[in-house]
Amino acid sequence: DADVTQTPRNRITKTGKRIMLECSQTKGHDRMYWYRQDPGLGLQLIYYSFDVKDINKGEISDGYSVSRQAQAKFSLSLESAIPNQTALYFCATSDSGLTEAFFGQGTRLTVV
Amino acid sequence: SQKIEQNSEALNIQEGKTATLTCNYTNYSPAYLQWYRQDPGRGPVFLLLIRENEKEKRKERLKVTFDTTLKQSLFHITASQPADSATYLCALDGYNFNKFYFGSGTKLNVKP
Repeated sequence: DADVTQTPRNRITKTGKRIMLECSQTKGHDRMYWYRQDPGLGLQLIYYSFDVKDINKGEISDGYSVSRQAQAKFSLSLESAIPNQTALYFCATSDSGLTEAFFGQGTRLTVV
Repeated sequence: SQKIEQNSEALNIQEGKTATLTCNYTNYSPAYLQWYRQDPGRGPVFLLLIRENEKEKRKERLKVTFDTTLKQSLFHITASQPADSATYLCALDGYNFNKFYFGSGTKLNVKP
């Protein structure tokens, strides 16, 4: 089983719909992140959480919200999806301190 | 704001040669720098981490250098193989926050 699991893997939704992307991890890490990736661009940080009670906005948080339900679960919501939110979304975790990030397999989201 | 630059043009090399990828950054003083590999449609996978006080790091056929004066890291793959074909991302972090800032990546094509 993957250390970081994202669901769904693929999703097509209509403009204006609410959608939730879920992420769970078995690494036991405190820190979790949501990124989006557009073709030709790097990973852009949407939100990050250092523990269950600590949630922070990243570079591109507008139009998104998150929920840290438990140490192992971090969900990303699009309250009212729009076409320019079509992208590949990644969840990642890391241990506290200066260590590497572990990524999920990604969720390909298409907003039509 | 911080800026991380990687060559957007793909690097095409012949099998057996050494591939060298560049990561430049500005407006930033990272505590360490990381390199990741990303295959199409998949999440990045961690390869190497180098700290600001280290000049060079090696792992099997991989070598990373970190020049904080030039604000540059070089990533080398020696004796490259077609299986090394992927996009390689550099990521930076800092002492005060454990957010990862990623470059847009360089695509490496190793031809047999």
